[in-house]
Amino acid sequence: EAGVAQSPRYKIIEKRQSVAFWCNPISGHATLYWYQQILGQGPKLLIQFQNNGVVDDSQLPKDRFSAERLKGVDSTLKIQPAKLEDSAVYLCASSFRTGDLMNTEAFFGQGTRLTVV
Amino acid sequence: DQQVKQNSPSLSVQEGRISILNCDYTNSMFDYFLWYKKYPAEGPTFLISISSIKDKNEDGRFTVFLNKSAKHLSLHIVPSQPGDSAVYFCAASATDKLIFGTGTRLQVFP
Repeated sequence: EAGVAQSPRYKIIEKRQSVAFWCNPISGHATLYWYQQILGQGPKLLIQFQNNGVVDDSQLPKDRFSAERLKGVDSTLKIQPAKLEDSAVYLCASSFRTGDLMNTEAFFGQGTRLTVV
Repeated sequence: DQQVKQNSPSLSVQEGRISILNCDYTNSMFDYFLWYKKYPAEGPTFLISISSIKDKNEDGRFTVFLNKSAKHLSLHIVPSQPGDSAVYFCAASATDKLIFGTGTRLQVFP
């Protein structure tokens, strides 16, 4: 079974530039998460999709971050404009959570390491 | 507001001995708990989980214990192996959310 795919693996941009990350979840997984992991901290949830609807985006800085999940499958996360403090690893995860099957684990991609200079 | 806390940033254990990683949570609505393991330059990988209706779950060398009254869970690794050296995250879930702790770096030395 193919895992969660993310691209690119690494990205270096200057502050105020734009950047986009792509995620392809495991086939059949209804729930998709984007997490931000700053060095030395745990993953912080940015946005959660159930199919193509947003379940939670309370911690997404909406003035600069946006995310979409087209047709309930692939997802993109965009930052525009980037700030120095956005330097982090951006992790995408998916799970089969749907209906009564709530207690299933999330599977993570390898992440995109973003450096803003 | 850190709802899931791992107060020990690092732990060093000799090969063959037991590793005990701890996690505390504040939200009594959490009903499912997970442990993830993370190697450098890789995403977290699922290790073991436990539902709030249980107090123990075992999978090979890994056992997770849940004390709901204390809002505390722990991961026991017996025996510890050098390949277990990684960062371990506990995570807790309520409804759809999955909240992570800050992680504990485990070093298993020969």
